[in-house]
Amino acid sequence: DQQVKQNSPSLSVQEGRISILNCDYTNSMFDYFLWYKKYPAEGPTFLISISSIKDKNEDGRFTVFLNKSAKHLSLHIVPSQPGDSAVYFCAADSSGSARQLTFGSGTQLTVLP
Amino acid sequence: EAQVTQNPRYLITVTGKKLTVTCSQNMNHEYMSWYRQDPGLGLRQIYYSMNVEVTDKGDVPEGYKVSRKEKRNFPLILESPSPNQTSLYFCATGPGTEAFFGQGTRLTVV
Repeated sequence: DQQVKQNSPSLSVQEGRISILNCDYTNSMFDYFLWYKKYPAEGPTFLISISSIKDKNEDGRFTVFLNKSAKHLSLHIVPSQPGDSAVYFCAADSSGSARQLTFGSGTQLTVLP
Repeated sequence: EAQVTQNPRYLITVTGKKLTVTCSQNMNHEYMSWYRQDPGLGLRQIYYSMNVEVTDKGDVPEGYKVSRKEKRNFPLILESPSPNQTSLYFCATGPGTEAFFGQGTRLTVV
């Protein structure tokens, strides 16, 4: 049973518009959430994170929102650029987990010029 | 330059033939881990190591072994590979925001 779910395998967005990637989780023990970006033939790279004591974290064009009651987080990219085309993984961690990350299945974002 | 180096990048092998995928890091990180990536399943942790001589199972450890004899190296060993271990493998250092991934090893077991 997947504890972190990304229900959209793919998303296409026009350049300059907003991209919204969604992630749901089931484990109430998760208290830290991360997004990673992955280009083909490369390893994932850390993008942005949020602690469960916050509901929003912003870094340039990237904003992550956390809704704890709904066990839902989302990544907003504004404005989207063609270089943002990649697979985005949501991941979750819990302070008692001995540093184990639980990943979602990923969403392929394609930003169309 | 901070690096996690995996070798080989691509490997095709036959069922039952022992193989080792090497992982080396130059960041002096205590924590290292191995993941496999499969379609529809994302990345799943195989094993992790908090420090030299300290290793522990992740979510999918069956069929794999690891060792951590020195801080920089964390090899993944498949004693008797099977076709269901065909996957894309990633080594990583550091947990969470510190995670730094290697470029991946594409393994095919026939």
